[in-house]
Amino acid sequence: EPEVTQTPSHQVTQMGQEVILRCVPISNHLYFYWYRQILGQKVEFLVSFYNNEISEKSEIFDDQFSVERPDGSNFTLKIRSTKLEDSAMYFCASRRGSTGELFFGEGSRLTVL
Amino acid sequence: GESVGLHLPTLSVQEGDNSIINCAYSNSASDYFIWYKQESGKGPQFIIDIRSNMDKRQGQRVTVLLNKTVKHLSLQIAATQPGDSAVYFCAENLVGYSTLTFGKGTMLLVSP
Repeated sequence: EPEVTQTPSHQVTQMGQEVILRCVPISNHLYFYWYRQILGQKVEFLVSFYNNEISEKSEIFDDQFSVERPDGSNFTLKIRSTKLEDSAMYFCASRRGSTGELFFGEGSRLTVL
Repeated sequence: GESVGLHLPTLSVQEGDNSIINCAYSNSASDYFIWYKQESGKGPQFIIDIRSNMDKRQGQRVTVLLNKTVKHLSLQIAATQPGDSAVYFCAENLVGYSTLTFGKGTMLLVSP
């Protein structure tokens, strides 16, 4: 069964460092997303990406965040200068259409020290 | 602002019981809803979805009910098993948007 894959599974970084989280969405999907989940809290929307551009973003997704689809398979989330409060689980997700089942990866845990 | 929320943060049931997890949504413009299950340390896993033109949808051991009049969504799990223990989230999709917005989650604890 096709799945969304994410790397790394866990990254520890120092405050102020840049972090890149990587995702390989399901191959025939057209809509890509990043969500984050602070421990014990709900899953929060960050950004959606369609047709090689950001389609929607939340207030969380400020100038420190960026997304790229550098080739036909990868979808990345970059945090330019990490803060302590960026510590969370980051989930990549994809789906074929604008509605329908949204498939999630297993997440990348980011710990900022 | 408008948001999706849950009534009960924790639900404890015995194995074999039926479980009902509730969700209130406030955005009347939402037209698509999904229930997700999240086990500890894992990503959300799709359970069942429903569109706003339906009131009920059934899957294997699960049923989702949608009451648009009171903006209420519920997930019923029949014959709950220990493997059903997880956090359950409802999520909504607004008409014209591709974003899925999640509610706060309910922890389901199933005792053998």
